[in-house]
Amino acid sequence: DAGITQSPRYKITETGRQVTLMCHQTWSHSYMFWYRQDLGHGLRLIYYSAAADITDKGEVSDGYVVSRSKTENFPLTLESATRSQTSVYFCASSTTSGITDTQYFGPGTRLTVL
Amino acid sequence: GDSVTQMEGPVTLSEEAFLTINCTYTATGYPSLFWYVQYPGEGLQLLLKATKADDKGSNKGFEATYRKETTSFHLEKGSVQVSDSAVYFCALSEMNRDDKIIFGKGTRLHILP
Repeated sequence: DAGITQSPRYKITETGRQVTLMCHQTWSHSYMFWYRQDLGHGLRLIYYSAAADITDKGEVSDGYVVSRSKTENFPLTLESATRSQTSVYFCASSTTSGITDTQYFGPGTRLTVL
Repeated sequence: GDSVTQMEGPVTLSEEAFLTINCTYTATGYPSLFWYVQYPGEGLQLLLKATKADDKGSNKGFEATYRKETTSFHLEKGSVQVSDSAVYFCALSEMNRDDKIIFGKGTRLHILP
C-alpha cells in the first residue's frame, strides 16, 4: 500500500524556471491539498481539489498552478520560480474535506530556488 | 477569521517529564480540533482529534480535551520519551467554512535522554 507519494523529494532550480511537483495517492481520496511549510509560518494552503477537474485557491496561491485530470494525481506547477518559493511542499489527501476527517500527508518535497 | 495559536518552541524536556503544549483557537462556530505530529524528515500525521466540546482525544499516551469555554485544546503527555521529539501542530476545521483546515505554526519538542 503506497499511500501518498511525492516526487521529486529534493529539487534545486533557478529563478524563472518552470517546476512541477508531483503528488500521487492510491486511496482514491476525493480531496487533495498542497501546502507549503516555512519557518515562522507553519503550514499554509496553496491549492486544494475536491475531485477531478475541481480545484480552488488557498491562502497563498499566487505564482502556482494546479491541475487534477485524474483522481489520484495532483501536480503543482511553479510557472516562473522565485526565491520566495523556496520551501518544503507537502501534498495531502482526505476522503472528505478534513472537517472531521483525517488528512494524510506525503513525505514532502524540499525545493530550493537559486 | 478562524485562527489557531500555539505556544512557541522549541520546548526542551528531559525524558519522563510531563508535557503540555498549549493551543487556543478562534472560531465562529463549532470546529473540530486536531493535533498533528511531524517527525524529522517526514510529513505530518494525525496524532489525535476531537469533534465536539468536552471530547477527549488520545493516542500514544498523548491527550487533549476540547474546552469550548476557554477555546483551548492543550496537548499533554504524562511521561515523554526521546522518540516523542518532533514538531507538533494544532489545527482546526469548521463545518461550512470553506472546507479547509487551519494549522498553527507548530511547536518543536526536544526530549533529552
